[in-house]
Amino acid sequence: DAGVIQSPRHEVTEMGQEVTLRCKPISGHNSLFWYRQTMMRGLELLIYFNNNVPIDDSGMPEDRFSAKMPNASFSTLKIQPSEPRDSAVYFCASVKGSGSSYNEQFFGPGTRLTVL
Amino acid sequence: GNSVTQMEGPVTLSEEAFLTINCTYTATGYPSLFWYVQYPGEGLQLLLKATKADDKGSNKGFEATYRKETTSFHLEKGSVQVSDSAVYFCALRGPAGATNKLIFGTGTLLAVQP
Repeated sequence: DAGVIQSPRHEVTEMGQEVTLRCKPISGHNSLFWYRQTMMRGLELLIYFNNNVPIDDSGMPEDRFSAKMPNASFSTLKIQPSEPRDSAVYFCASVKGSGSSYNEQFFGPGTRLTVL
Repeated sequence: GNSVTQMEGPVTLSEEAFLTINCTYTATGYPSLFWYVQYPGEGLQLLLKATKADDKGSNKGFEATYRKETTSFHLEKGSVQVSDSAVYFCALRGPAGATNKLIFGTGTLLAVQP
């Protein structure tokens, strides 16, 4: 399996622009997570989906952030408008299994976002 | 609520030194505990896990024992290598029946010098 795929790997944009990050989870995995990592705040969970349905979006910082999962093989995280403080590495992770049993979360390589 | 506290880094060691990275947790019930590792420029990878009290997780020479009495899950390795240089995250997941959501610590940077 190719693992979790994220695109782009690097994104540089100007303040006010819309940014869309993409994630393809591992085939057969039914939960998907979006994280943000910065030096100041460490690793933060933004939102996660179970069977394509958003379960917990309490980590989404504000209305400028939105996430969708239209099907089991694709998710997007959108920031509109972007701000310099959104600069971070954004990770997507997926896992197979329900809440009654645990399987490993597999992380993608991340998207490094720089907002100028 | 559930939380994880890790020792702050960076931790700098010479090759073949003994490593301990402390991790304590706060949780209701019996959580599962994990150590993830992040090598430079990469995503996190599961290093080891323990799902019940007194379990010992081990992988690549690293070990951690689930201690419920001290609510700890300290990571140890007897002899570190330069290739172990990475950021290590302690994490917790709620008891069976809960979600797949993980609660991560802040991460500890380990730098091993030759």
